[in-house]
Amino acid sequence: GIQVEQSPPDLILQEGANSTLRCNFSDSVNNLQWFHQNPWGQLINLFYIPSGTKQNGRLSATTVATERYSLLYISSSQTTDSGVYFCAVDKAQGAQKLVFGQGTRLTINP
Amino acid sequence: DAMVIQNPRYQVTQFGKPVTLSCSQTLNHNVMYWYQQKSSQAPKLLFHYYDKDFNNEADTPDNFQSRRPNTSFCFLDIRSPGLGDAAMYLCATSRDYGSSTNEQFFGPGTRLTVL
Repeated sequence: GIQVEQSPPDLILQEGANSTLRCNFSDSVNNLQWFHQNPWGQLINLFYIPSGTKQNGRLSATTVATERYSLLYISSSQTTDSGVYFCAVDKAQGAQKLVFGQGTRLTINP
Repeated sequence: DAMVIQNPRYQVTQFGKPVTLSCSQTLNHNVMYWYQQKSSQAPKLLFHYYDKDFNNEADTPDNFQSRRPNTSFCFLDIRSPGLGDAAMYLCATSRDYGSSTNEQFFGPGTRLTVL
């Protein structure tokens, strides 16, 4: 099946810092989503981005489908950005399911 | 606001005692999914419904069953919970399968404890 690798696994930053999270995937996809899992366990949709670039406030994401990777940028981090960030993909042909990476645990210290 | 709702948010059951988790959606989406997420792991798909068509994942244990009586509701039944079934159970929906319609939206989850 499709493989999804996220890096780094853990990231600790001070408030106000910028960060880049990476997601590599092993096959063509027709869905790529970035999620933030909050402390209560809910997966919050950040981006639906199988290709291209999107921005939403302090967050932006870029997916280069031909090179099979996606990047999530967080600028001017706040303590509320802490949590686990997941990348998930759905393979282009068949499957019809999201396969998740192992996540990046982000800790923003005040 | 259109949303995905899961009840209860926390469920405690005893070893071997059947339990049912509930998911409802106001998005009128065709597809509903159930994922299992164990502690410090990524979510893993158990099965999904496209309308009334049930699609099981090959490695989902027989102990897990699902029902979708109508578009809005989907249930996860665990027939004989074991200690290893303690996890967060996440329900998700998508409008359809194809590109631009397959974005998935998740409910808040039900955290299951097995004693």
